[in-house]
Amino acid sequence: AQSVSQHNHHVILSEAASLELGCNYSYGGTVNLFWYVQYPGQHLQLLLKYFSGDPLVKGIKGFEAEFIKSKFSFNLRKPSVQWSDTAEYFCAVNAGGFKTIFGAGTRLFVKA
Amino acid sequence: NAGVTQTPKFQVLKTGQSMTLQCAQDMNHEYMSWYRQDPGMGLRLIHYSVGAGITDQGEVPNGYNVSRSTTEDFPLRLLSAAPSQTSVYFCASSYRTGGDYNEQFFGPGTRLTVL
Repeated sequence: AQSVSQHNHHVILSEAASLELGCNYSYGGTVNLFWYVQYPGQHLQLLLKYFSGDPLVKGIKGFEAEFIKSKFSFNLRKPSVQWSDTAEYFCAVNAGGFKTIFGAGTRLFVKA
Repeated sequence: NAGVTQTPKFQVLKTGQSMTLQCAQDMNHEYMSWYRQDPGMGLRLIHYSVGAGITDQGEVPNGYNVSRSTTEDFPLRLLSAAPSQTSVYFCASSYRTGGDYNEQFFGPGTRLTVL
């Protein structure tokens, strides 16, 4: 069965620190990949997505992610986090058809 | 555009009661889905629809029913509420571009407590 693993459930960083959140999936074929963010009290919204082409994808608010096919990974990065980045981050994979599988999420807390 | 709307925002039920969570979208999206969000488990797909009149089960369909009579609306019915159904429920819609299923647009969620 398809699955999505997010390695860190909780991450605490100070402002200006660099961020990398891991995401691995288990599916050998063509995939569409997404990162969503859920700010406190809000609904999920899209950060970035990868369908094809350049494996380094840039999203909103300075986030980027790199698709490494050989490692089945799609890690999220940001060079310098801000207090306003405090949120829960979800990696999601679509492996054909409409169904999208979500990871368990990573809660990020940024200390001011 | 209002996007995806959900009602109610909060609901408390007693075990055995039934209710319907409402979901509507005004983006003319073909695909709609219901998820439940539980701590440490991410989002789990309950039911989804690929068009009016077409629904299918997701990962955790037991205890829930859906129907899709119009493109806009996709209500979720809890048949006989159980404490295990205490969760936050999100409705989402999406569309397709060529062969790619695009991102999902989420509603604000319904926080349900079953006593």
